Amino acid sequence: QSVLTQPPSVSGAPGQWVTISCTGSNSNIGAGYAVYWYQQLPGTAPKLLIYNNNNRPSGVPDRFSGSKSGTSASLTITGLQAEDEGDYHCQSYDNSLRAVVFGGGTKLTVL
Amino acid sequence: QVQLQESGPGLVKPSQTLSLTCTVSGGSISSGDSYWSWIRQHPGKGLEWIGYIYYSGTTYYNPSLNSRATISVDTSKNQFSLRLSSEAAADTAVYYCARVKEAGTRPYMDVWGKGTTVTVSS
Repeated sequence: QSVLTQPPSVSGAPGQWVTISCTGSNSNIGAGYAVYWYQQLPGTAPKLLIYNNNNRPSGVPDRFSGSKSGTSASLTITGLQAEDEGDYHCQSYDNSLRAVVFGGGTKLTVL
Repeated sequence: QVQLQESGPGLVKPSQTLSLTCTVSGGSISSGDSYWSWIRQHPGKGLEWIGYIYYSGTTYYNPSLNSRATISVDTSKNQFSLRLSSEAAADTAVYYCARVKEAGTRPYMDVWGKGTTVTVSS
């Protein structure tokens, strides 16, 4: 059972947009800790996609955006492409557990 | 461009200690601006943070591992290592090493190794 809750799967057609949610609590996201998103393409290691809630590392397309509100965060992907298919993980810090915490991951399927 | 590479046995017998090493290239593990972490991913599951270490040896661990994990650093070799005791099938996973930024206040992993699969089985 992951500390952060994500939907197991989302899907969308090429060119459309999807949103992946990440729900936490008052000891992690709600306590003001930043949210991070990682993209894991099939058979590869995770890659940092969004940092500090809504910032993109160099090289990440602006089709990817993040937001945070209260105890939840979201990753939005616009202009879906086939190469976006993979798993997306959210991450934060929990001050009650004193641990880095992850969501269970969301599998994105591009129809 | 910093790169990380995991190494170690792919098969471990139950009750043996798992030992993995991460070699850092393209940068110094002693640079002082980063921590260095281990994360694992059980088959078909999400990511689990194991712990991280500073070049000075300061460590932080996931309490859920009940003190089974030990992370150490060898600055002369630009490496850091993981030892996980009392192996069980539940420790079968892909193990990743990663660089940690802003560990003090808002830790996150900005560079990852490719991962190494460890299977615990007799």
